[in-house]
Amino acid sequence: AQSVTQLGSHVSVSEGALVLLRCNYSSSVPPYLFWYVQYPNQGLQLLLKYTSAATLVKGINGFEAEFKKSETSFHLTKPSAHMSDAAEYFCAVGISGNTPLVFGKGTRLSVIA
Amino acid sequence: EAGVAQSPRYKIIEKRQSVAFWCNPISGHATLYWYQQILGQGPKLLIQFQNNGVVDDSQLPKDRFSAERLKGVDSTLKIQPAKLEDSAVYLCASSSQGGPNIQYFGAGTRLSVL
Repeated sequence: AQSVTQLGSHVSVSEGALVLLRCNYSSSVPPYLFWYVQYPNQGLQLLLKYTSAATLVKGINGFEAEFKKSETSFHLTKPSAHMSDAAEYFCAVGISGNTPLVFGKGTRLSVIA
Repeated sequence: EAGVAQSPRYKIIEKRQSVAFWCNPISGHATLYWYQQILGQGPKLLIQFQNNGVVDDSQLPKDRFSAERLKGVDSTLKIQPAKLEDSAVYLCASSSQGGPNIQYFGAGTRLSVL
């Protein structure tokens, strides 16, 4: 079985500051890992994915994440926060095939001008 | 390509009433998922279809929830009768066969049960 823990339900950063959203996973088999973003009253949009290729994954809007097997982590970063980054971010784990994703509880990112 | 379409976007009903949600997945996607997202939580799977067959409905409250996917395309999720705790966003997602399991989500239906 898989599980995801997102540390911090709410993260607040200043505009231009580093964004770091933490995600730890548990999986009995090699995982696929995802970050999704959800803007108010919208569905989930894929930011980036790790599918057993390069451990440093680059996504849309300047975000990237690094898969660290030894730490069972997949933290999301962005060097410089923008006001438009304010949203809810979800980390999810899956395995090969079309199995359902298991999501964390989400982290709400606020960006302060 | 068109994304996952869901309707309605919002629905308000009273407890014990019935409600239905509709989803049209991305064309050609064989796998369709319904997730329930309660406020402040991540989405949780309700049911998964592969073409028009059910793959996983272990977390679907079958005494009140039902879902179907006729002809392996559109899907409908129904709640009857609704309870207060069913207030949530219902998300539909689809993915193509095989590969790294990238799921594409619709905008969701926000249900309020009063």
